[in-house]
Amino acid sequence: AQKITQTQPGMFVQEKEAVTLDCTYDTSDPSYGLFWYKQPSSGEMIFLIYQGSYDQQNATEGRYSLNFQKARKSANLVISASQLGDSAMYFCAMGAPMTTDSWGKLQFGAGTQVVVTP
Amino acid sequence: DTEVTQTPKHLVMGMTNKKSLKCEQHMGHRAMYWYKQKAKKPPELMFVYSYEKLSINESVPSRFSPECPNSSLLNLHLHALQPEDSALYLCASSQVRATGETQYFGPGTRLLVL
Repeated sequence: AQKITQTQPGMFVQEKEAVTLDCTYDTSDPSYGLFWYKQPSSGEMIFLIYQGSYDQQNATEGRYSLNFQKARKSANLVISASQLGDSAMYFCAMGAPMTTDSWGKLQFGAGTQVVVTP
Repeated sequence: DTEVTQTPKHLVMGMTNKKSLKCEQHMGHRAMYWYKQKAKKPPELMFVYSYEKLSINESVPSRFSPECPNSSLLNLHLHALQPEDSALYLCASSQVRATGETQYFGPGTRLLVL
């Protein structure tokens, strides 16, 4: 069974600073995908970044980068130069391969609430 | 354009009412999903449709009835709900390929059951 753990329930970060959100996972599948989503108070889940288990390089998307350490089973999200609009709940999630009955299920972590202060 | 739309945005219903939530995507995706999310919790998967066929039903009570009329539309029919069913209902869609299909979410419907 897959499991995602986010150990930081909440954190404050000052505007323009970088912040790292922790995510560890557990799976016996050799093939899997890792995702980060942002959910502002409006409720919409916004896709940020994806990392495949076989990807050699860490994923980056603008101010977002994923620090993927496969041996440690961690996939931390780094947000550089935080902005006030980054205040939101952030979820780490894992997707199962198509070869399993679990394809389509995203296993979510508990989430980390980020508050960016001026 | 990565857009999934959901209607209505807000819904208040009594326990004897029948209502429907609607979801639409025009990204050519062939998988669509319904999630339920309580405040301060991660989304919980309810149903997955793949090529318009129900592929996953996460033991959801029968008062929730999904329907996928075509590849772009997904409905969730609600009947005889309970107050504990009050939540944010999120629809998502994705391609159907190998591992790593990003699910794109709609803005959600906030449901209140009185």
